[in-house]
Amino acid sequence: GAGVSQTPSNKVTEKGKYVELRCDPISGHTALYWYRQSLGQGPEFLIYFQGTGAADDSGLPNDRFFAVRPEGSVSTLKIQRTERGDSAVYLCASSFGQRSTDTQYFGPGTRLTVL
Amino acid sequence: QKEVEQNSGPLSVPEGAIASLNCTYSDRGSQSFFWYRQYSGKSPELIMFIYSNGDKEDGRFTAQLNKASQYVSLLIRDSQPSDSATYLCAVPEGAQKLVFGQGTRLTINP
Repeated sequence: GAGVSQTPSNKVTEKGKYVELRCDPISGHTALYWYRQSLGQGPEFLIYFQGTGAADDSGLPNDRFFAVRPEGSVSTLKIQRTERGDSAVYLCASSFGQRSTDTQYFGPGTRLTVL
Repeated sequence: QKEVEQNSGPLSVPEGAIASLNCTYSDRGSQSFFWYRQYSGKSPELIMFIYSNGDKEDGRFTAQLNKASQYVSLLIRDSQPSDSATYLCAVPEGAQKLVFGQGTRLTINP
């Protein structure tokens, strides 16, 4: 079946602009996660959705970052007033359940470059 | 905040040898552990999950967990050039989110 998909695959923007990154999880997966990965580092947790609600947004670095999942499927990560330090690969993952032992399946990521 | 530590490498291993990757974690209460493989420019993919002390084998891969010493390792037998990748250790924090180590870059030399 289809895996997690993310669009765009690459996004180049200028400092101060607004960007939206989209994630389409595996069909039937209720849990959705956003991570950010900088070069040479492991993924860093941003936010977790169970259904439509953000169950844990403790990883969002500041109030410029916001994410939604209005219908419990597709999610959009929104970054306002982008800064050069926001440049990274943004990974989305989904899992069937919400237990810590449920496998998280990752999408291909969106590489964000802020000039 | 849980911490997960890995040697960033690079770790270079000749083809056919055993590659040994290690990971230590800070929270003695951690119960389960994941190993993900990430090829350059690609997303992480799960290769092993372990939650019991001792060894878990899956093909050429063996995960070893020692909760008393707070480390988990991954052994790759008969290493192949296609095993060249970054290997990420991850520990769940709370109910769902994963805390990753920085990853160990492994190179298998033909």
